[in-house]
Amino acid sequence: KNQVEQSPQSLIILEGKNCTLQCNYTVSPFSNLRWYKQDTGRGPVSLTIMTFSENTKSNGRYTATLDADTKQSSLHITASQLSDSASYICVVSPDPYNQGGKLIFGQGTELSVKP
Amino acid sequence: KAGVTQTPRYLIKTRGQQVTLSCSPISGHRSVSWYQQTPGQGLQFLFEYFSETQRNKGNFPGRFSGRQFSNSRSEMNVSTLELGDSALYLCASSFSGTGGNEQFFGPGTRLTVL
Repeated sequence: KNQVEQSPQSLIILEGKNCTLQCNYTVSPFSNLRWYKQDTGRGPVSLTIMTFSENTKSNGRYTATLDADTKQSSLHITASQLSDSASYICVVSPDPYNQGGKLIFGQGTELSVKP
Repeated sequence: KAGVTQTPRYLIKTRGQQVTLSCSPISGHRSVSWYQQTPGQGLQFLFEYFSETQRNKGNFPGRFSGRQFSNSRSEMNVSTLELGDSALYLCASSFSGTGGNEQFFGPGTRLTVL
């Protein structure tokens, strides 16, 4: 069964600290993996997307890694800011066209950054 | 380029009523997907429309329906509302051409069923 599992479920860190969120998937075939950031009450916004051949992708203070062999991805946030408080969702697509019905969503990690 | 817009943003209904939500995709995007998001279930896929045709459908009862118009705008309808239908309803649009299509999400419609 295609599944995406994220850990931890929730995380509290102090402003300025780094953190790493994990995503393990059992999706086959694999086309791409995307990390989304979702602020409370808003729609998700894409942070990074990686295909099979990519190991790392950065977007400002956000760096995603992908190990296609172990089917694991991580999202590293450097020098966290209060605005990083959000839910982070890992999404895996077996379909290069990313058809809506084919995407496999993780449950998300709720990150809270405290001053 | 304007993003995905959804109307209304908030809605309060009572059990048994029906509701229609609207989604306007990014100009040029032909695919619109709808999702239900609840704290316990995360994002659940409802259906996807492409060029006015339903291309994929999730595991929701027939009370949930949708359609897409020739300008790619989409509506979803929920009839005979139940308390469990309270959720954030998100739509996402994509070009759905070749290769790595990103889904762009709207801000969502927060539906509360009393």
